[in-house]
Amino acid sequence: AQSVTQPDIHITVSEGASLELRCNYSYGATPYLFWYVQSPGQGLQLLLKYFSGDTLVQGIKGFEAEFKRSQSSFNLRKPSVHWSDAAEYFCAVTGGGNKLTFGTGTQLKVEL
Amino acid sequence: DTEVTQTPKHLVMGMTNKKSLKCEQHMGHRAMYWYKQKAKKPPELMFVYSYEKLSINESVPSRFSPECPNSSLLNLHLHALQPEDSALYLCASSQGPLDEQFFGPGTRLTVL
Repeated sequence: AQSVTQPDIHITVSEGASLELRCNYSYGATPYLFWYVQSPGQGLQLLLKYFSGDTLVQGIKGFEAEFKRSQSSFNLRKPSVHWSDAAEYFCAVTGGGNKLTFGTGTQLKVEL
Repeated sequence: DTEVTQTPKHLVMGMTNKKSLKCEQHMGHRAMYWYKQKAKKPPELMFVYSYEKLSINESVPSRFSPECPNSSLLNLHLHALQPEDSALYLCASSQGPLDEQFFGPGTRLTVL
């Protein structure tokens, strides 16, 4: 069975500081990995995805993520956080069958 | 058009009411999904339709009844709900089982 762990429930960073959100997955074969962002009361927006190929993936809004098979990780990074990045971030994995498994999410707070 | 639309945005209903949630996409996606999301939690998969056929039912109570009238539309019929069913209901669609899912903005449901 596939699973995702996001170890950090809450993270607070200062505006302009760098950000790294952690994600560890469990899946027997090559996973398909995603990062989504959700603002309060809104739907989920896809930031980036990894299917295969280059392990460093670029996404929207200046985000990137690196797939590390040896560590079963897919951490999300941003070099300089903006106040508008405050939101809930979900890492997700699928191996097929239309089932997307989400992590528990990381709430990002940005201090001005 | 890369949008999933959901109506209504908000819905308040009594436990004896019958109501429906609607979801529409015009991206030509062949898979559509219903999720339930409680506050501070990740989305929980309820139903998946693939090529207009129900392919996954995650043991959802029968008071929730999905319907896929055509490849662009997905409904969720609600009857005799309980207060604990109050949540954000998200619709999503994807091209295939391994592709990214596009989410709608959700319907905020309150059951009194």
